[in-house]
Amino acid sequence: DAKTTQPTSMDCAEGRAANLPCNHSTISGNEYVYWYRQIHSQGPQYIIHGLKNNETNEMASLIITEDRKSSTLILPHATLRDTAVYYCIVRLLPNYQLIWGAGTKLIIKP
Amino acid sequence: DAGVIQSPRHEVTEMGQEVTLRCKPISGHNSLFWYRQTMMRGLELLIYFNNNVPIDDSGMPEDRFSAKMPNASFSTLKIQPSEPRDSAVYFCASSYWLDAGGQETQYFGPGTRLLVL
Repeated sequence: DAKTTQPTSMDCAEGRAANLPCNHSTISGNEYVYWYRQIHSQGPQYIIHGLKNNETNEMASLIITEDRKSSTLILPHATLRDTAVYYCIVRLLPNYQLIWGAGTKLIIKP
Repeated sequence: DAGVIQSPRHEVTEMGQEVTLRCKPISGHNSLFWYRQTMMRGLELLIYFNNNVPIDDSGMPEDRFSAKMPNASFSTLKIQPSEPRDSAVYFCASSYWLDAGGQETQYFGPGTRLLVL
């Protein structure tokens, strides 16, 4: 499975956009990029996923580069409740496997 | 929708005791996953069921661990006998398997924090 590389930690000011990068340089053409987050002591929460095109939902936007070797998760107006560990996962459908890395610890500061 | 329900939320037991963790998946989902999370190893998939049938149990650490899914709305993960190294947070997740399209998104429960003394 393709692996991902994320920064260990990031800070963002409350109310600003949080941009979380992810590198997946070995991704193959039929692998999706998934984002989950885990708020302290809770279960992982699904955020968004995409294949080639940029995606947006009520939680976030996902920007995937044209060569698909990297992506960025954007939380448009970060709040203190967005403080969490964010996981970028490359997943081959229809495989059920989610290969979890260490993620990025995002701290939203007032 | 109530989401994935797990019980108990916290469990403290002594080494050698039997521990049973329970999970109720989201109604309509036909796939269920058990994960374990520790600081050292992160999130690990233990076992995966599809339509109540275990498909992949390669992540189950050893024979002390067993999992069952007697029906579509209930699953258990049992540890017997428990050991201190089993201390971790155990998550259950569910999703829907599309015959043509494969697995949909997995949704996780709140987890069970297990401490074995």
